[in-house]
Amino acid sequence: QVQLVQSGAEVKKPGASVKVSCKASEYTFTGYNLHWVRQAPGQGVEWMGWINPDSGGTNYAQKFQGRVTMTRDTSSSTAYMELSRLRSDDTAVYYCARDADGDYVSNLLDYWGQGTLVTVSS
Amino acid sequence: EIVMTQSPATLSVSPGERATLSCRASQSVSSNLAWYQQKPGQAPRLLIYGASTRATGIPARFSGSGSGTEFTLTISSLQSEDFAVYYCQQYTNWPQTFGQGTKVEIK
Repeated sequence: QVQLVQSGAEVKKPGASVKVSCKASEYTFTGYNLHWVRQAPGQGVEWMGWINPDSGGTNYAQKFQGRVTMTRDTSSSTAYMELSRLRSDDTAVYYCARDADGDYVSNLLDYWGQGTLVTVSS
Repeated sequence: EIVMTQSPATLSVSPGERATLSCRASQSVSSNLAWYQQKPGQAPRLLIYGASTRATGIPARFSGSGSGTEFTLTISSLQSEDFAVYYCQQYTNWPQTFGQGTKVEIK
């Protein structure tokens, strides 16, 4: 069964950076793009971007360009999302999710990680 | 970007009854529409894609319909495990966007 296991909760101060990891198993890590989305408390889902684990290529939502960096380590089948210059409104649960299509970016998300709560507070 | 609008925000339904959820797109998304279910403390789970195709393991009581800008998710006979928040998502245009969700609660 496909699994995406994320790192634990983080508490950060405004202006700091956070790096969340997402370890994939039970499928070919380099065969599917990985997306990152977030969900603020009581709010809807917001797409942040994706990474191609094979090439390392990325595509970020305009809102996060300049603040987000997505990387991967193919040797450990792990993807990372780093968000810098944190603000209080970045407080949210961050999810990684696998793209359903292995040949191109469909933006359909078939498997999700369990989520990582990032709290930004002074 | 395409704005997805879901209605109602909250739907109160008795177990065994039918639930009908709506999703409207600000412009056509063809059939590139998905529905996700989210229970408290859990990640969203893919239910429906291509507007009407059930994902693997999803019970037949869940059905989706529509195309273009108007979509519907129907749960034919609500079970206790179906009380949750449901999101629609368009994945035809960059960036992909989600609705604000419909909470299905016990009446």
